Amino acid sequence: GAVVSQHPSWVICKSGTSVKIECRSLDFQATTMFWYRQFPKQSLMLMATSNEGSKATYEQGVEKDKFLINHASLTLSTLTVTSAHPEDSSFYICSARDQVAEQFFGPGTRLTVL
Amino acid sequence: SQQGEEDPQALSIQEGENATMNCSYKTSINNLQWYRQNSGRGLVHLILIRSNEREKHSGRLRVTLDTSKKSSSLLITASRAADTASYFCATVPMGSGGYQKVTFGIGTKLQVIP
Repeated sequence: GAVVSQHPSWVICKSGTSVKIECRSLDFQATTMFWYRQFPKQSLMLMATSNEGSKATYEQGVEKDKFLINHASLTLSTLTVTSAHPEDSSFYICSARDQVAEQFFGPGTRLTVL
Repeated sequence: SQQGEEDPQALSIQEGENATMNCSYKTSINNLQWYRQNSGRGLVHLILIRSNEREKHSGRLRVTLDTSKKSSSLLITASRAADTASYFCATVPMGSGGYQKVTFGIGTKLQVIP
């Protein structure tokens, strides 16, 4: 199947700093990418949907000014957690959808905010 | 919002036994997918079943879908210790259009005891 990568796989940062997470589709073009968040022992919650070249659509309760999403190309989407706080510590997973509407998930990025 | 609810939330069986997990959902769907997640890792796509299909097999996996009851089951036959993981059902709602948003259930944590 198609491959989606995320970078970094884990990051530890100080409270108040911003962290950028990259999501790349390695061997296909992804017109749509999704960002999920998963707290320990819980399910994945969809945060936002992004289409290449347009603004992301955020789910209810997700602050768009805190979680900046950029989908500048058909193979790259970035999620920036601005002014991170300990409560933002979570596992962030992206997925990318190809032209035949199959979704492929990245391996996830574990963010720990001290 | 969460769409699917898996049942049971936790399951412990002996190696060699079969494991059955159920998923119920609320709204009409385009398709339903099952994923596996090892602790702290990304998602692995197991199987997708479309709304017009009733049963699907893949190796030791068997998935059924009953759209009248809005439920699905995942059967893992002859379980192995390596099957120990969390299993999530995920639905793509009918009418989600080009976005094809995948909504995850709360998951079943399966432990296979050697």
